[in-house]
Amino acid sequence: EAQVTQNPRYLITVTGKKLTVTCSQNMNHEYMSWYRQDPGLGLRQIYYSMNVEVTDKGDVPEGYKVSRKEKRNFPLILESPSPNQTSLYFCASRPGLAGANVLTFGAGSRLTVL
Amino acid sequence: DQQVKQNSPSLSVQEGRISILNCDYTNSMFDYFLWYKKYPAEGPTFLISISSIKDKNEDGRFTVFLNKSAKHLSLHIVPSQPGDSAVYFCAASPQGAQKLVFGQGTRLTINP
Repeated sequence: EAQVTQNPRYLITVTGKKLTVTCSQNMNHEYMSWYRQDPGLGLRQIYYSMNVEVTDKGDVPEGYKVSRKEKRNFPLILESPSPNQTSLYFCASRPGLAGANVLTFGAGSRLTVL
Repeated sequence: DQQVKQNSPSLSVQEGRISILNCDYTNSMFDYFLWYKKYPAEGPTFLISISSIKDKNEDGRFTVFLNKSAKHLSLHIVPSQPGDSAVYFCAASPQGAQKLVFGQGTRLTINP
């Protein structure tokens, strides 16, 4: 089944404790992206990657890092989480065709930072 | 600065009637618009899209209308079914940009 898989689905952590949310897709998509969803704000893009070793900032990149060493994986790294990073996170992917903006999303990772 | 706005946080419609979800945008550089549907504990799933060169696109019970002069987008669902109960997000793609800009979402409830 074609899908985007995120782990963990739920996580409670404390301020300053580094964590990584993994994302993997099995569709051979070139483009991958991370979004966060907050009440009243919709989904906002954190980082995106056009292909292996090519990443760029989205609208809200502060406090996050990403890497794209393999085509299928795009982990989101919080080096020193803070309470304002408590949110619902979505990884998404699509083929690299220009203009094809139909994203396939993962099921989401709900993160709470105490 | 919310470039894509869904001003109705929630909407309740009777089964079998028409559901109309609305979306307004401010950026005239948006050239592609999409609607996503989201159930609890799942990721958003693509529903229907429209290019800025069109004013209407239909797919079964779902129709999206685009009014560029008013910078307004709407999704019509007819007839509405209980399985349509979900949160609907409007999204827009700026020309040449590698992202989607999302609205805040509208929770649609279909009552039997």
